[in-house]
Amino acid sequence: QVQLVQSGAEVKKPGASVKVSCKASGYNFNDYYLHWVRQAPGQGFEWMGWIIPNSGGTTYSRKFQGWVTMTRDTSISTAYMELRSLKSDDTAVYYCARGDVLKTYEYWGQGTLVTVSS
Amino acid sequence: EIVLTQSPGTLSLSPGETATLSCRASQSVSSIYLAWFQQKPGQAPRLVIYGASSRATGVPDRFSGSGSGTDFTLTISRLEPEDFAFYYCQQYGSSPITFGQGTRLDIK
Repeated sequence: QVQLVQSGAEVKKPGASVKVSCKASGYNFNDYYLHWVRQAPGQGFEWMGWIIPNSGGTTYSRKFQGWVTMTRDTSISTAYMELRSLKSDDTAVYYCARGDVLKTYEYWGQGTLVTVSS
Repeated sequence: EIVLTQSPGTLSLSPGETATLSCRASQSVSSIYLAWFQQKPGQAPRLVIYGASSRATGVPDRFSGSGSGTDFTLTISRLEPEDFAFYYCQQYGSSPITFGQGTRLDIK
């Protein structure tokens, strides 16, 4: 069965960086875009961007351009999202989701809580 | 950027009743690219409806989606206790992908 398993919770200080991983299984990793979405506490969802596993090509939301980097390691079917220069309002649960042209996010990771606090 | 506005913010109903949730877009959205998600506290979202009206795998037929252009609706008939949750609409046809702010479906 399709699974996306993310790395564990992180606590970071303002100005630091965080790198979250998302390991895919149960399907061909190269066949689907991998998206990253975040949800601040008690809030809605904010799309951050996607990575094309096959080529490594990325598209980022304009808001995150310049301070997010999405990468992947196809040998271990894992995608990564690194966010730099963290601020307190970057505190959120970060999700990876498998993108499908028609079925959008049918599969999600379990989420990774990133807490930014001094 | 397409802004999605959901209403109502909170809907309080009893099991067995019918819930009608609205999602209005700031500009036209292709029906192919309108989805609804259900989210319960502490859980990742679950896809309920994609393509405005297609049920995702395993979703009961009491969930139905409709609409076109700028107005979309999620209807949940014969509410079951497990249906009480947050619901979010999403458009995924135009970049950036955007979500509505959510509707909380509460047990009355």
